[in-house]
Amino acid sequence: AQSVAQPEDQVNVAEGNPLTVKCTYSVSGNPYLFWYVQYPNRGLQFLLKYITGDNLVKGSYGFEAEFNKSQTSFHLKKPSALVSDSALYFCAVRDKAAGNKLTFGGGTRVLVKP
Amino acid sequence: EPEVTQTPSHQVTQMGQEVILRCVPISNHLYFYWYRQILGQKVEFLVSFYNNEISEKSEIFDDQFSVERPDGSNFTLKIRSTKLEDSAMYFCASKDQPGTAGNTIYFGEGSWLTVV
Repeated sequence: AQSVAQPEDQVNVAEGNPLTVKCTYSVSGNPYLFWYVQYPNRGLQFLLKYITGDNLVKGSYGFEAEFNKSQTSFHLKKPSALVSDSALYFCAVRDKAAGNKLTFGGGTRVLVKP
Repeated sequence: EPEVTQTPSHQVTQMGQEVILRCVPISNHLYFYWYRQILGQKVEFLVSFYNNEISEKSEIFDDQFSVERPDGSNFTLKIRSTKLEDSAMYFCASKDQPGTAGNTIYFGEGSWLTVV
């Protein structure tokens, strides 16, 4: 079975400071890892993904994430947060051996204060 | 950027009624999904659909639920005899060729279902 954990329900950060949203995963095979963002009353918007290759992947809106196989983590980062980054962030994993469905973490609410 | 579109955006229905949620996946995509998100909870997989049949479903997707691709563009989720606990945001999603590692699943804006 595949699973994802996002240990923080909420992350508060001041505008301009670095932002990190944590994610760890568990799969039996090779993981395909994704981050999605959900703005208030909106759908899930794709941010970035790790499939293979470089452990550091870059995505939309200045976000990046680092795949760490030994720690089974895929933390989302942004060097300088904006107020407009305030949203709900979901980490998701897909194990090819477990079909084509995504399994989501519980989500982390990010609040960026001016 | 291509989009998955869903209708209605919000529906209120009485307990026991049937509801159909509609989705238009991205045009060249072949793999379709329904997920749901109960308020305050995580996004949960319901069902995936490929080549005009269900390819995978979760325990949530029981006989109360059904999916259909009635024509070349729409993908629907039918919920029969709705219950209060069916109140949730329902997301449709799509992906292109199956089996291609890591292809992104794109989600619609969601249909918020309230059962009263």
